[in-house]
Formats: sequence, structure tokens, C-alpha cells
Amino acid sequence: GAGVSQSPSNKVTEKGKDVELRCDPISGHTALYWYRQSLGQGLEFLIYFQGNSAPDKSGLPSDRFSAERTGGSVSTLTIQRTQQEDSAVYLCASSSSTAVDIQYFGAGTRLSVL
Amino acid sequence: DAKTTQPNSMESNEEEPVHLPCNHSTISGTDYIHWYRQLPSQGPEYVIHGLTSNVNNRMASLAIAEDRKSSTLILHRATLRDAAVYYCILRKSGGSNYKLTFGKGTLLTVNP
Repeated sequence: GAGVSQSPSNKVTEKGKDVELRCDPISGHTALYWYRQSLGQGLEFLIYFQGNSAPDKSGLPSDRFSAERTGGSVSTLTIQRTQQEDSAVYLCASSSSTAVDIQYFGAGTRLSVL
Repeated sequence: DAKTTQPNSMESNEEEPVHLPCNHSTISGTDYIHWYRQLPSQGPEYVIHGLTSNVNNRMASLAIAEDRKSSTLILHRATLRDAAVYYCILRKSGGSNYKLTFGKGTLLTVNP
């Protein structure tokens, strides 16, 4: 079946511009996560959505970052006024209610801020 | 959180078995042992997880020591596609511990 889909796969932007990154989770998965991974670094948790509950936004690094999940499915991560330190791979994952401990990841969006 | 220790790198030949070790001497009774891997330019991929008993799935086997202070991920026949960084992590069940964090992992090189 279809896995987690992220778009675009690559995004190059200029410093100060806004960007939107999209994630389509596996159909039926109730939980959705955003992480980022800088070059050679580990995973950095950003935000977690679970069903209709309030999201856990504790990992968002600044108020320039925001995320939405519409209709319990597709999610968009928005970065306003991008900075060079935002350059990273942004990863989305989802998990089902029957196997909450397993996260399925997309291939990521590689963001480069010039 | 309990830590895990893995070798920085390992090398294998194609079609041979690979045993990837992980030490977790401070594991608690409620910690599950999870393995993920990350292929170059890909997102992490779940491999297998277990609590006490050995586990098998289509990707790999997980052998857990009787005292649970170590475990081994076994790839029965390595292929070139198995070249990746393998991460061993401890997680409590139930979904409340949902923030995945990886250590440095083991970089597996598979020689043709």
C-alpha cells in the first residue's frame, strides 16, 4: 500500500521567504509527527498530532514554525521568514491506533535556505 | 531514558548473515527494544521490536539476551540494499513516549 508521502522532495528558498511542506500520512493512521534532521545529526522532534486532540507543539523551535492537520489527514508545516539555520531534511511520520509504537516515515523534504 | 551502545560501523559481504549488536545495560522492565534503519537519502524505516522473547519478521530477527542487557539484530542474508545506519532504541509501550530520538547508530557497509 501507499506509504507516507511528502512534497516537495527538495525545496530551495531565499532567506526571509515563507515555505510550506506537505505530508500525506498512511490512510487511516491517526497519529502524525514532524521531525527534522540536520546534516549528520539525529532526529529533532517538532510536533505531534493525534486524532482530534490538541497537538503537542513542544518541539517547534520558534514562532516562525507552525503546522496544521486538516480533516485528520494531510498536514502542512509552514516556516515563515526562513533563516539559513532552518536548512535541514524535514521528515513526516505516521502511526496507526493499533500499532502506536511503530512510526512510518516519508522520504522527507530537503530544505535549503540560501 | 536508558541509553544504548552500538558499534560505529560494521562491514559485511553480500548474501552473508549480519549480526548487529546493541548494549542496553540500564534497560527497565517496561522498555521495548526497537530497531530502525535509515538508508542514504531516505527517511528512517522501522525494522523490528521486542520485549523479552526473540522476534522474527520478513526483514530481520531480533535476539534478546536473557537478562535483556543486550540484543542483536540479525539480517539473515545481507543485500546491497541493506547498507544503512541501524539504530537501536529503547521505548516504553503505550504511545505516550512518542518522540523518537536516535543515537549515532551503526553504519553497515555491504560489500558485493
